[in-house]
Amino acid sequence: TQLLEQSPQFLSIQEGENLTVYCNSSSVFSSLQWYRQEPGEGPVLLVTVVTGGEVKKLKRLTFQFGDARKDSSLHITAAQPGDTGLYLCAGPDTGRRALTFGSGTRLQVQP
Amino acid sequence: NAGVMQNPRHLVRRRGQEARLRCSPMKGHSHVYWYRQLPEEGLKFMVYLQKENIIDESGMPKERFSAEFPKEGPSILRIQQVVRGDSAAYFCASSPTGGASYEQYFGPGTRLTVT
Repeated sequence: TQLLEQSPQFLSIQEGENLTVYCNSSSVFSSLQWYRQEPGEGPVLLVTVVTGGEVKKLKRLTFQFGDARKDSSLHITAAQPGDTGLYLCAGPDTGRRALTFGSGTRLQVQP
Repeated sequence: NAGVMQNPRHLVRRRGQEARLRCSPMKGHSHVYWYRQLPEEGLKFMVYLQKENIIDESGMPKERFSAEFPKEGPSILRIQQVVRGDSAAYFCASSPTGGASYEQYFGPGTRLTVT
């Protein structure tokens, strides 16, 4: 089973600050997906990255897939309280559709 | 466009009872996945189904757990003779038949509490 490690585990910042969270593996993934999960709800798909080196932007969120497709990062510019939540990266195991999830980064943005 | 639907949202069962969790995939999606999220733990894959077929059940416990996705109706995850350790959030996801079939969209989950 391929493993995904996310860092940091917890992050508490003030509104307006920038932040980056990381998702790393020793294995190559064909794609990686980022989700945000709020308490009592299911994960919501934010983005999928497929090509090594790919950068995708979603408003103030920038996602990057590493050249070797073993890691990914999520950068948030000028964080807002609405960005608070659990950020999860996930990728399919080789040759399978089952997603392996990282343990997540719990972000809290203070107003 | 309705998203993935799960019911019930909350389910309380006594030890030894059966739990039935239902999932209706998004329109146009024929792939269904079940995941379990234990308290303070990450999401773990359980089973992947297509209509009338179990494709991958490598993450499902061998005993007491079963899943189906019949030709008509929702996918069902069944847990027989529940124990306290089964208390968790169970999420269903679905993915499209073609195109970006690797993208999985999740429902709101069923929170099972075993007393």
